[in-house]
Amino acid sequence: EAGVAQSPRYKIIEKRQSVAFWCNPISGHATLYWYQQILGQGPKLLIQFQNNGVVDDSQLPKDRFSAERLKGVDSTLKIQPAKLEDSAVYLCASSSGNPRNEQFFGPGTRLTVL
Amino acid sequence: DQQVKQNSPSLSVQEGRISILNCDYTNSMFDYFLWYKKYPAEGPTFLISISSIKDKNEDGRFTVFLNKSAKHLSLHIVPSQPGDSAVYFCAAIRSTSGTYKYIFGTGTRLKVLA
Repeated sequence: EAGVAQSPRYKIIEKRQSVAFWCNPISGHATLYWYQQILGQGPKLLIQFQNNGVVDDSQLPKDRFSAERLKGVDSTLKIQPAKLEDSAVYLCASSSGNPRNEQFFGPGTRLTVL
Repeated sequence: DQQVKQNSPSLSVQEGRISILNCDYTNSMFDYFLWYKKYPAEGPTFLISISSIKDKNEDGRFTVFLNKSAKHLSLHIVPSQPGDSAVYFCAAIRSTSGTYKYIFGTGTRLKVLA
């Protein structure tokens, strides 16, 4: 079974630039999550999708972050414009069925904002 | 407001000995808990979980204990192996009006010495 795919693995941009991350979840997984993990901290949920609908985006900085999951499969997370404090690893995860089921994580995208 | 805390950022244990990783939470509404392990440059992987209706769950070398009155859970690894060296995150889930909040702790870096 293929795991969660993310690209790119690394990205370096200057502040005020835009960046986009892509995630392809495990086939058949209805729930998709985007997390931000700042160095030394645990993953923080940014947005949760159930199929192509948003379940929770309460911690997404909507003035600069956006995410979509068209057709309920893969997803993109965009930052526009980026700030220095956005430097972090962005993790995508997916899960199936029961919300208490384990989440399967991709390898993450390490973003550095200069 | 850190609702899930791992107060030990790091832990070193001799191979063959027991590793005990601790996690405290503040919200009594959490009803399900999970432990994830993370190697460098990889996403977290699920290790073991426990429901709030139990006080212990065991899977091979890994045992999770839950003390609801103290709002405390711990992960025991016996015997510890060098391959267990990783960052360990506890995560807690609470359900609210049909939605599920998934909150991670800050992580504990375990180093198992050969």
